[in-house]
Amino acid sequence: EIVMTQSPASLSVSPGERATLSCRASQSLSSNLAWYQQKPGQTPRLLIYDASTRATGIPARFSGSGSGTEFTLTISSLQSEDFAVYYCHQYHNWPPLFGPGTKVDIK
Amino acid sequence: QVQLVQSGAEVKKPGASVKVSCKTSGYTFTNYAIGWVRQAPGQGLEWMGWISGYNGNTNHAQKLHGRVTMTRDTSTSTAYMDLTSLRSDDTAVYYCARASGDYSPFDYWGQGTLVTVSS
Repeated sequence: EIVMTQSPASLSVSPGERATLSCRASQSLSSNLAWYQQKPGQTPRLLIYDASTRATGIPARFSGSGSGTEFTLTISSLQSEDFAVYYCHQYHNWPPLFGPGTKVDIK
Repeated sequence: QVQLVQSGAEVKKPGASVKVSCKTSGYTFTNYAIGWVRQAPGQGLEWMGWISGYNGNTNHAQKLHGRVTMTRDTSTSTAYMDLTSLRSDDTAVYYCARASGDYSPFDYWGQGTLVTVSS
């Protein structure tokens, strides 16, 4: 079974700053990785799929990169509405697991 | 517009069963799969399984083996998740979500159903 890790576990960022979140897999995922955003009390929202493709309606400040075992989600200039927990999700191998999440909060 | 609307919150005793429904609209149900994901209080997302809207094929997480059943009704575009022998650690918000296939991301999510297991 693939093991998914995310780092850091939490990240304090000032509005307007850049945030870089990492997701690592124990086996190659090719590009079969997605990123989700979840705000407190809300449903997860798909941000990025296939490692680097933005989902419909997602602002350009969100970008994804990577392939194989190392992936990155970058938020270029954090807005107040971006403070949330971010999960990566691999759908390359069985079972399609989620990472443990990175919490981004206000510095 | 695509919508997934789940049934309401449930409170169950240990050992009981719960059935959560997920009524979909705004797309062709049989062209997609429905996945189920749960989230215990204060915890991360746990993938539970999925069902094909096309042929009803299912697959689920090994840890739930024997306790979870996923079904669908194509006439009402509704998916169901049945969990038996409930334990306190099954207390969670249960989400349904749409996927284009079994190895696909989830692009639309239901609002979640809180299932509380308590004596």
